Amino acid sequence: EVQLLESGGGLVQPGESLRLSCVASGFTFSNSAMSWVRQAPGKGLEWVSAVSTRGTNTFYQDSVRGRFTVSRDDSKNTLYLQMDSLSAEDTAVYYCAKALKLVLDSFDIWGQGTMLTVSS
Amino acid sequence: QSALTQPASVSGSPGQSITISCAGTSSDLGAYGYVSWYQQSPGKAPKLMIFEVRNRPSGVSSRFSGSKSGNTASLTISGLQAEDEADYYCSAFTTSRTYVFGSGTKVTVL
Repeated sequence: EVQLLESGGGLVQPGESLRLSCVASGFTFSNSAMSWVRQAPGKGLEWVSAVSTRGTNTFYQDSVRGRFTVSRDDSKNTLYLQMDSLSAEDTAVYYCAKALKLVLDSFDIWGQGTMLTVSS
Repeated sequence: QSALTQPASVSGSPGQSITISCAGTSSDLGAYGYVSWYQQSPGKAPKLMIFEVRNRPSGVSSRFSGSKSGNTASLTISGLQAEDEADYYCSAFTTSRTYVFGSGTKVTVL
């Protein structure tokens, strides 16, 4: 079964750091570009970051560039999102998603999401 | 990068056709042919419904169709069914090498 499983969400205080993980199964992870997409409570989808195959290229939304770092470990079929200097505006469900073809054309497989709450 | 503009809500009766619009700029919707549409039911992850403007992934009903003209894209749902009630988001690759979603449209089946 094709699947993405996120983990690592939780409650953190403003200014703290957290790392999210996304484990892939059922497809060739190393051949797939991957993205993180988030959704604040009651709000719409917001693309956060992407990484190409082999981690050669990374892409970020302006609001997270310099604070978030996307990476991948193909030996573990795992995608990561290191998040630093977190603020309340980062509170959201974070989804990992597999790119259909190119890095940022569309996303055909999504995880179930992991919730991050940033609050004091 | 601002979100693409979608109507907040669209409704229709079973069997009818509805169209959701998505307005962008020459830097996103108008730039490339990478326009996608996603369906999201409450509490669920999004599901890809249309990619590259008008292509349907395997398993997606032919009642869903997409188009684009200039800086505006559209998703049409024909033969509306109760199961189509959900939020729909358009999206596009941008000239800034980022990805932008639309503001989202809630579809209600009357």
